[in-house]
Amino acid sequence: DVKVTQSSRYLVKRTGEKVFLECVQDMDHENMFWYRQDPGLGLRLIYFSYDVKMKEKGDIPEGYSVSREKKERFSLILESASTNQTSMYLCASSSRRDHSFGSGTRLTVV
Amino acid sequence: AQRVTQPEKLLSVFKGAPVELKCNYSYSGSPELFWYVQYSRQRLQLLLRHISRESIKGFTADLNKGETSFHLKKPFAQEEDSAMYYCALVIPDKLIFGTGTRLQVFP
Repeated sequence: DVKVTQSSRYLVKRTGEKVFLECVQDMDHENMFWYRQDPGLGLRLIYFSYDVKMKEKGDIPEGYSVSREKKERFSLILESASTNQTSMYLCASSSRRDHSFGSGTRLTVV
Repeated sequence: AQRVTQPEKLLSVFKGAPVELKCNYSYSGSPELFWYVQYSRQRLQLLLRHISRESIKGFTADLNKGETSFHLKKPFAQEEDSAMYYCALVIPDKLIFGTGTRLQVFP
């Protein structure tokens, strides 16, 4: 069974801070994804990556960047956190079509 | 444009009642669809996919290309079915999710 691990379950950060959300998968999947999950909005794709050092913008990339230096690790970076980035962040990986998800990181920006 | 619509934010039923969670999609290609479920305090997980035509936990979903729908059905709801359900459309190597429907099953 694929394991996708997100380093933090809860985070509280101040406005303007640089924030790193880490995600690691252990099944050698090529594809990795970052979503944010908000009530009434569902899951919205922020960034995704098909391979090491490759990244593609999703539907809502503004205010975010990503890094994929190793196949198993995909990091989401908030360059300068803002209160409207308070949300649940979900990481996922896949080798075919369906995704395996991490437990999520609930980020609060104050 | 590719889109997934789940018109109900909340669906409340009593235990033993039939359940239908609606999902409609818009896609110009040949659609491939999934249902994902998220139980309280658990990670999002795949419930079923239309290609396999399987029944998981008593749930089924049939792809209707004419109506562009992929509704999730269960004849007799159980309390443990209470969860958030998301319909998802595959576009090459990515998924588009609907906004989700919260199912509440009362005893």
